[in-house]
Amino acid sequence: SAVISQKPSRDICQRGTSLTIQCQVDSQVTMMFWYRQQPGQSLTLIATANQGSEATYESGFVIDKFPISRPNLTFSTLTVSNMSPEDSSIYLCSGWTSGRLNEQFFGPGTRLTVL
Amino acid sequence: AQSVTQLDSQVPVFEEAPVELRCNYSSSVSVYLFWYVQYPNQGLQLLLKYLSGSTLVKGINGFEAEFNKSQTSFHLRKPSVHISDTAEYFCAVSGRGAQKLVFGQGTRLTINP
Repeated sequence: SAVISQKPSRDICQRGTSLTIQCQVDSQVTMMFWYRQQPGQSLTLIATANQGSEATYESGFVIDKFPISRPNLTFSTLTVSNMSPEDSSIYLCSGWTSGRLNEQFFGPGTRLTVL
Repeated sequence: AQSVTQLDSQVPVFEEAPVELRCNYSSSVSVYLFWYVQYPNQGLQLLLKYLSGSTLVKGINGFEAEFNKSQTSFHLRKPSVHISDTAEYFCAVSGRGAQKLVFGQGTRLTINP
């Protein structure tokens, strides 16, 4: 299966600042997704990263707060903007390819703490 | 839309004992079902998946799950657990032909020696 890496693995940020998380897949994937896992909670889908077009956001998530880029089939970024302590979470990206029988594989996550 | 309910937030068991982690789903369309495991401070790893065919699905690390359409369940089982199975387990569902996953709340499996 494909391998996903994320940078940074963790960060501590100040309120009001922004952080960009990078997601790199070692092979081309059809779709990429960004999830948020709040402390002690399950995963919630933020958006689907579409190559060459605007991301598709889930209810409760907006582009101004979580801008996403996907310039090619192996790379995506998620920015957490104007952060507050409520944004402290693990952010995970995932990839899916049609050749893998609906198997979605995940990166290791980025653990974000906002002070 | 789909939803997933994991009936137990925590399951403590003794080493070498059997375990069952329960998962029920709700959907108005046919679904694919998945179990993922998250070890401490790591990402998610796919344990097994049900797409179609046999309702008994075998996965990695000795885990298996059974799809029960009438009861809308997909319970995960292992006949004998090890300390290394200590982790958070997530059940997830997607609509057939869709790729967005909806996750349950997770079950924390704790293995006691």
